[in-house]
Order: sequence, then structure tokens, then C-alpha cells
Amino acid sequence: NAGVTQTPKFQVLKTGQSMTLQCAQDMNHNSMYWYRQDPGMGLRLIYYSASEGTTDKGEVPNGYNVSRLNKREFSLRLESAAPSQTSVYFCASSVLSSGANVLTFGAGSRLTVL
Amino acid sequence: GESVGLHLPTLSVQEGDNSIINCAYSNSASDYFIWYKQESGKGPQFIIDIRSNMDKRQGQRVTVLLNKTVKHLSLQIAATQPGDSAVYFCAEISGNMLTFGGGTRLMVKP
Repeated sequence: NAGVTQTPKFQVLKTGQSMTLQCAQDMNHNSMYWYRQDPGMGLRLIYYSASEGTTDKGEVPNGYNVSRLNKREFSLRLESAAPSQTSVYFCASSVLSSGANVLTFGAGSRLTVL
Repeated sequence: GESVGLHLPTLSVQEGDNSIINCAYSNSASDYFIWYKQESGKGPQFIIDIRSNMDKRQGQRVTVLLNKTVKHLSLQIAATQPGDSAVYFCAEISGNMLTFGGGTRLMVKP
């Protein structure tokens, strides 16, 4: 049982390049999320998908797009990368449990934009 | 806007001592609070949660206390071990949205 799997684990981009971060979960969770974590800071929500077929903006959506490909997969795309997007990106999934939306996180993808 | 924050960015404790990590929140409408542990190079891992209608919940070696009067949340770790060294985040849930605080690094000295 892999849980939440993210690829790639590391990526270096030049300013203006595009890339897609992939995320898949095998727990049959309905909701999926993308967060970014900057040094010394907490996680900030970029986009989320409450269920298959829906996506919504989080706290910091600018510069990103997402696709909920199916129930298992939720991708994050940077169309034109900027140095400000250098960060560690975490994908997460959840199923409501007794009203508590407990998230299961992937191991993270470290992105550096030069 | 509403936010969740932590009092102490770094906490250093001796192995075997008890640790207390604090968190302040400002959204009185939050339904749940969760503590996550993040080890170096890994994603956050759920530790324990507490509903807003509770003031205490215990797990294995961990206890979460919620004081709604002063909007304060704490995580107590009993008999702290080297494996407890990590960054700890509190998070609040309001509706279906989870908001993280800034994190506290716990360092356990042998």
C-alpha cells in the first residue's frame, strides 16, 4: 500500500520553463490537495479537489494549474516557472473521518527554479 | 484574516523529559485541530486530532489540550525520545479547509 506517491522527487528548472508534478493515491480517497512549503514556514494550500471532476483555488493559486485526471491522480502544472516558485511541493489526499479531514501526505517534490 | 500560529520556533529538550509545543489560533469557528509531525525529507504525518467540543485528548505518549477561552492548543509528548525530533505543525479545520501554522522544531538531546 503506497499511500500518496509524488513524482519527480527533485527537479531543477530555468525561469520560463514548464513542468507538471504528478500525484497518485491508492487509498480511494475523494479529496486531493497540493501544498507548497517554503523554508521555515508551514504549508500553504495551492489548489484542491474535493472530489473527482472538481478543483478549487487555495491560498496561493497564482502561477499554477491543476488537473484531477481521475479519482487516483491529481497533477500540478507550472506553465512558466519563476524563481518565487522554488519550494517543496506536497500532495495530499483525504477522506472525511468522523468530521475530521485528516490528510495523508506524499514525501514531497523539491523544485528549484533558476 | 484568520490564522494559526506557533509561539516557539525551536524547542530543545533532554531525552526522557516531557515536551510541550504550543499553538495559538484565531478562528473561533474551527471544528477540529490536528497536530502533524514532519521529519526531515518527509511529508507531514498525522499525530493526533481534537474536536472543538473537547478540551483534552490522549494518545500513545501524546496529549493534546485545547483551551478555547484563550484560543490555545498544545501538544505534550511524554518521555521524549530521539525519534521525536522533527518539526511539529498544528492545523485547524474550518468546514472542509485545513490551515497550517508555521511549525516548531523539536530537538531531543541524548
